[in-house]
Amino acid sequence: DAGVTQSPTHLIKTRGQQVTLRCSPKSGHDTVSWYQQALGQGPQFIFQYYEEEERQRGNFPDRFSGHQFPNYSSELNVNALLLGDSALYLCASSKRLRDRGVGEQYFGPGTRLTVT
Amino acid sequence: GQNIDQPTEMTATEGAIVQINCTYQTSGFNGLFWYQQHAGEAPTFLSYNVLDGLEEKGRFSSFLSRSKGYSYLLLKELQMKDSASYLCAVRDNSGATNKLIFGTGTLLAVQP
Repeated sequence: DAGVTQSPTHLIKTRGQQVTLRCSPKSGHDTVSWYQQALGQGPQFIFQYYEEEERQRGNFPDRFSGHQFPNYSSELNVNALLLGDSALYLCASSKRLRDRGVGEQYFGPGTRLTVT
Repeated sequence: GQNIDQPTEMTATEGAIVQINCTYQTSGFNGLFWYQQHAGEAPTFLSYNVLDGLEEKGRFSSFLSRSKGYSYLLLKELQMKDSASYLCAVRDNSGATNKLIFGTGTLLAVQP
C-alpha cells in the first residue's frame, strides 16, 4: 500500500518563474491538503481539495493555486516566485468522513523548493 | 484568532525524561496532534488527543486539558534518535476541512 508521494523531491527556480508541484494521495484517500513549511517554522495551511474543488484556503495570495484530478492526485502551482517562497511544501492526504469533515492526515515526504 | 505556542528549543540527556508543553487558542477545536520531524523530512504522527487526559504510547505520552488550552508531550527513556523537532498541531473543523494549525515546533537536542 503506497503512502503519499510527492514530486519532485527538490527544485531550484529563479525569481519570477512559475512552479508546479505534484502529489498522489494514499490509497483510499480522496482529500488533499497542501502546507508550506519555511525553515525553522511549523507547516502553514495553504488549501485543501476535495471532489476537484478548493474547499478552504489559508492566508496565501492568489499566486498560489491548485488543482485536483479525478484520480484524487493534486497539483500546487505558484506563479511569479519570490525569494520568500523558498520552503518545504508538504502534501497531506485524508479521507472525507460523512458529516465529520476529513479524517487523519498523512504527510508525504515533501518538495524542497529553493528560489534564487 | 488562532495561536499555538511551544518552546523553541529544549535540551535533555540520554535516558532522561522530557516534557514539551503546548498552549493553544483556536476556534473549532477538534483534537490535538503531536508530530515528530527530523531535519529535511516530513512530519510523522506521534499522538492524538481529543478528550481530556493522558494517552500513553510506549515511550511517548500526551496530555490534553481543553479547558486550559494546554497539552504536553512526555518522552521517556530518551534516545539519541529522539533528537528532532516536535510539532504541536490543533485540528480546526471550521469549514469542515479539519485543517491542521501547527505551532513553530520545539527543537529537542538529546545529549549523551
